[in-house]
Amino acid sequence: SQQGEEDPQALSIQEGENATMNCSYKTSINNLQWYRQNSGRGLVHLILIRSNEREKHSGRLRVTLDTSKKSSSLLITASRAADTASYFCATDAGETSGSRLTFGEGTQLTVNP
Amino acid sequence: GAGVSQSPSNKVTEKGKDVELRCDPISGHTALYWYRQSLGQGLEFLIYFQGNSAPDKSGLPSDRFSAERTGGSVSTLTIQRTQQEDSAVYLCASSFSRVAPLHFGNGTRLTVT
Repeated sequence: SQQGEEDPQALSIQEGENATMNCSYKTSINNLQWYRQNSGRGLVHLILIRSNEREKHSGRLRVTLDTSKKSSSLLITASRAADTASYFCATDAGETSGSRLTFGEGTQLTVNP
Repeated sequence: GAGVSQSPSNKVTEKGKDVELRCDPISGHTALYWYRQSLGQGLEFLIYFQGNSAPDKSGLPSDRFSAERTGGSVSTLTIQRTQQEDSAVYLCASSFSRVAPLHFGNGTRLTVT
């Protein structure tokens, strides 16, 4: 099955609430990245966390990485309607994976005003 | 500066016809990727170019698919004898290097009738 699987597949919350999305993967990684995709657009890079890092912050985003559990989470605090999008994790397994970032299936986040 | 540009944004073609999809990466980016995204799905890796190295073609689904990158810049993805299962959004991304975050174009939506 696919490296980088997000859950939940879909999440609907009210504006102001926090949103948490999870990503699990199967092999060792060099880094893990989170991307956002608005409907009909390309993906936009949000944050990169290296395998030797446990937590990283960027504005309202908080990413954690647990390499022992092969999992990561993306927390969006104080969500806004404009955060509505699909969120993907992508894993970089280094040279052993060739050249590719492997993307998960994504979590569709809906923030209701 | 300009981002990654893809053309056309939409393409409708008849089964059996050939199509060419174009990608203009960000100037100076040596790495260029093609991904395919089916409706509501994650990204499927197709091919990767890095500088003057031989491309990683390991994700191409069949020999009907090919890609070129001329002069280390513009890339063209060609699909010969299109099939209905080729219908998807084809996304191009570029980056400074293999390990740098990707910058995506808005994709070409291909519909094979």
